[in-house]
Amino acid sequence: AQSVTQLGSHVSVSEGALVLLRCNYSSSVPPYLFWYVQYPNQGLQLLLKYTSAATLVKGINGFEAEFKKSETSFHLTKPSAHMSDAAEYFCAVSDDGATNKLIFGTGTLLAVQP
Amino acid sequence: DAGVTQSPTHLIKTRGQQVTLRCSPISGHKSVSWYQQVLGQGPQFIFQYYEKEERGRGNFPDRFSARQFPNYSSELNVNALLLGDSALYLCASSSSSGRAGSYNEQFFGPGTRLTVL
Repeated sequence: AQSVTQLGSHVSVSEGALVLLRCNYSSSVPPYLFWYVQYPNQGLQLLLKYTSAATLVKGINGFEAEFKKSETSFHLTKPSAHMSDAAEYFCAVSDDGATNKLIFGTGTLLAVQP
Repeated sequence: DAGVTQSPTHLIKTRGQQVTLRCSPISGHKSVSWYQQVLGQGPQFIFQYYEKEERGRGNFPDRFSARQFPNYSSELNVNALLLGDSALYLCASSSSSGRAGSYNEQFFGPGTRLTVL
């Protein structure tokens, strides 16, 4: 079965600094990969998705992620953090190619310090 | 256009009671999936319905059930509530069934916060 590991349950950066949130997946076949953001008391919003096209995926709000098959990684980056980026971020992988089921990581809470 | 809507937004129940949560997908979307998000964890898949048929079921007990109506809205029912059922329940809609080659983005609703006392 698929699984997703997010390293670092809490990440703190200064405003303007690089954001790097780590995600590793377990799969022998390149799956569909996603990053979602969740603001307090809200649902999930899709930041970006990898669907076997370009390995460098650009998303909303200046975020991007690079699919690296050799490392089974899909880390999320943003060159310059903004206060509004403070939220919880979830990496997810599609499960079986037969349903819409997503397997989520445990999440990384991003804090942005002024 | 309206996004995915869920009702109610908050709910408080006591152990042993039953609860029904409702979801209206984005217009034109035929797939609805339900997820449970316990505080501090990622969402866990409960069910997917597509065209009123169950397409997937997660590792949840039979106390959890769902259905999809002809207008593609959906209900999630949980019987004999336990304290551990306290969570945010998320609904997601999509235009695709999720079969290989047809995966499309899922749009999540704001969730229903269920508290079991």
